[in-house]
Amino acid sequence: NAGVTQTPKFQVLKTGQSMTLQCAQDMNHEYMSWYRQDPGMGLRLIHYSVGAGITDQGEVPNGYNVSRSTTEDFPLRLLSAAPSQTSVYFCASSYGGRLTEAFFGQGTRLTVV
Amino acid sequence: DAKTTQPTSMDCAEGRAANLPCNHSTISGNEYVYWYRQIHSQGPQYIIHGLKNNETNEMASLIITEDRKSSTLILPHATLRDTAVYYCIVRPLAGANSKLTFGKGITLSVRP
Repeated sequence: NAGVTQTPKFQVLKTGQSMTLQCAQDMNHEYMSWYRQDPGMGLRLIHYSVGAGITDQGEVPNGYNVSRSTTEDFPLRLLSAAPSQTSVYFCASSYGGRLTEAFFGQGTRLTVV
Repeated sequence: DAKTTQPTSMDCAEGRAANLPCNHSTISGNEYVYWYRQIHSQGPQYIIHGLKNNETNEMASLIITEDRKSSTLILPHATLRDTAVYYCIVRPLAGANSKLTFGKGITLSVRP
């Protein structure tokens, strides 16, 4: 049981490049979400999904796209990377209903130069 | 989601109890109190949650006041590995499940 797996762990991009941060969970969780964390700040919600085929915007969605074609995967796409997107990105998953313990991945540290 | 207020930081001696306070004076009747922690460079980790009764698990105890406007997370015997940022969050149990709203949390430093 791997939990929530994020890849890559580290990435450096040039401004304007695109890339996809991968997130996979093997716990059959309905809910998945992406957060970013900047120095001195708490985690801010980017996008979330309540199930396959359903996504919605969080607090800071601009510059990011998501899709949820399967229960297991929730990739985050940066269409045209900007230095302001330099951050640590965390993916999380949780059950719906009454079980609400959220499991987080170990993060992807992204630098945009 | 109701907002929470936590001190910026605190410390305690190894082996002693760490009592982490949280104020949530605008909490609604259907909102639970959750605690997560984040050890440096790692993803957040769930600790405990509760509605109005005190809760205990293998990691910690959660004490919620009778009026539910504040709570305290208790780590009964703090170790150096408990040094982390602790987040107090209030939100409904179901519904907007994935929308955990993190504040800045409280930094707990456990000293030898």
